[in-house]
Amino acid sequence: NAGVTQTPKFQVLKTGQSMTLQCAQDMNHEYMSWYRQDPGMGLRLIHYSVGAGITDQGEVPNGYNVSRSTTEDFPLRLLSAAPSQTSVYFCASSSGRNTEAFFGQGTRLTVV
Amino acid sequence: AQSVTQLGSHVSVSEGALVLLRCNYSSSVPPYLFWYVQYPNQGLQLLLKYTSAATLVKGINGFEAEFKKSETSFHLTKPSAHMSDAAEYFCAVRWGGSQGNLIFGKGTKLSVKP
Repeated sequence: NAGVTQTPKFQVLKTGQSMTLQCAQDMNHEYMSWYRQDPGMGLRLIHYSVGAGITDQGEVPNGYNVSRSTTEDFPLRLLSAAPSQTSVYFCASSSGRNTEAFFGQGTRLTVV
Repeated sequence: AQSVTQLGSHVSVSEGALVLLRCNYSSSVPPYLFWYVQYPNQGLQLLLKYTSAATLVKGINGFEAEFKKSETSFHLTKPSAHMSDAAEYFCAVRWGGSQGNLIFGKGTKLSVKP
């Protein structure tokens, strides 16, 4: 049972480069979200989706884009990487508002 | 804005001692409450959750938490700490009127001394 799968696990980018962080879940969950984790800041919501074709911004959306064409996949795009986007990124999914979120193993991104 | 506060970014206990990690949330609207644990270089794992059933919730690894509406708190406890409990712990809250997003506290890093 794979759960939530994130790729890649590690990535180094140069300032200005773009890339896509992949997230896939096999639990048929409607809710998916992206968080970033920075030391002393907890997890902050970047973007989220309540179903295929529906996305919305979270607390820290600037510099990131998302789309949700299928229930399973929720990629996060960095349009033009900046050093401030150096962070650990987590994708999560859940089946409803009163259920727990399941997290991927994270992507550690460094922008130089 | 709704928020979650974890008191103490670092907590250190001796092996066998009581573990108490504090979590308070800002709104009186009944929430769904969660505690997650994160071991180094890993993702977040659910410890326990409160979803308006019993106010005392038991989780994995001997942890439990009590929902106190009057205090807007959901503190995490374990009677006897083990070395393997060393990790970072996150309190998270989901309010029913929202789109269902989790709001996280900043985390508490637990150290366990031999």
